[in-house]
Amino acid sequence: GAGVSQSPRYKVAKRGQDVALRCDPISGHVSLFWYQQALGQGPEFLTYFQNEAQLDKSGLPSDRFFAERPEGSVSTLKIQRTQQEDSAVYLCASSRIPGTGGTEAFFGQGTRLTVV
Amino acid sequence: GIQVEQSPPDLILQEGANSTLRCNFSDSVNNLQWFHQNPWGQLINLFYIPSGTKQNGRLSATTVATERYSLLYISSSQTTDSGVYFCAVASKETSGSRLTFGEGTQLTVNP
Repeated sequence: GAGVSQSPRYKVAKRGQDVALRCDPISGHVSLFWYQQALGQGPEFLTYFQNEAQLDKSGLPSDRFFAERPEGSVSTLKIQRTQQEDSAVYLCASSRIPGTGGTEAFFGQGTRLTVV
Repeated sequence: GIQVEQSPPDLILQEGANSTLRCNFSDSVNNLQWFHQNPWGQLINLFYIPSGTKQNGRLSATTVATERYSLLYISSSQTTDSGVYFCAVASKETSGSRLTFGEGTQLTVNP
């Protein structure tokens, strides 16, 4: 597609529910990243995929967070047993070549998750 | 990890004024990007500028990699320029997988 697409745009979950957030990167982009943005702060790294391989998941805040990219294209970020502190905007980004050095990353519109 | 500091944190301008936003970083970088986050939360790419100078209309940016800072210039500001401006970098030593963002500059342009 022309840009990075995320769905849903907004999600309200009751505490304890599981949620799944989808990211459709720019066609042909090798790298895919997930970031979490709390209100009033800059985005913070969660995890990185190179094609289907998850090469870095050091930013995932707990084992309730899980991400996959099984065919090296669309990615899903899953949060199990959501808690109020999970409320944030979740941003997906993609770039043409592996990693972040020497290449521009493009971001989707984000999914705003509110846990009530 | 690499540290990114943006200044000022808040900036209020009258339409037509010029402004300079600054980004300092603590390590050598092989990626530096400036973004504008609009009121709907979308991060809009402004510049990919790990070094050198670029211009795009009323906006320009300069990165002095050896001194570890970047500047974003906005000339003849318009109300539509309002929003948060983020600088994000990838460390040359440890980049691999992530951009590190600053806290942003909140720009308000009044008519």
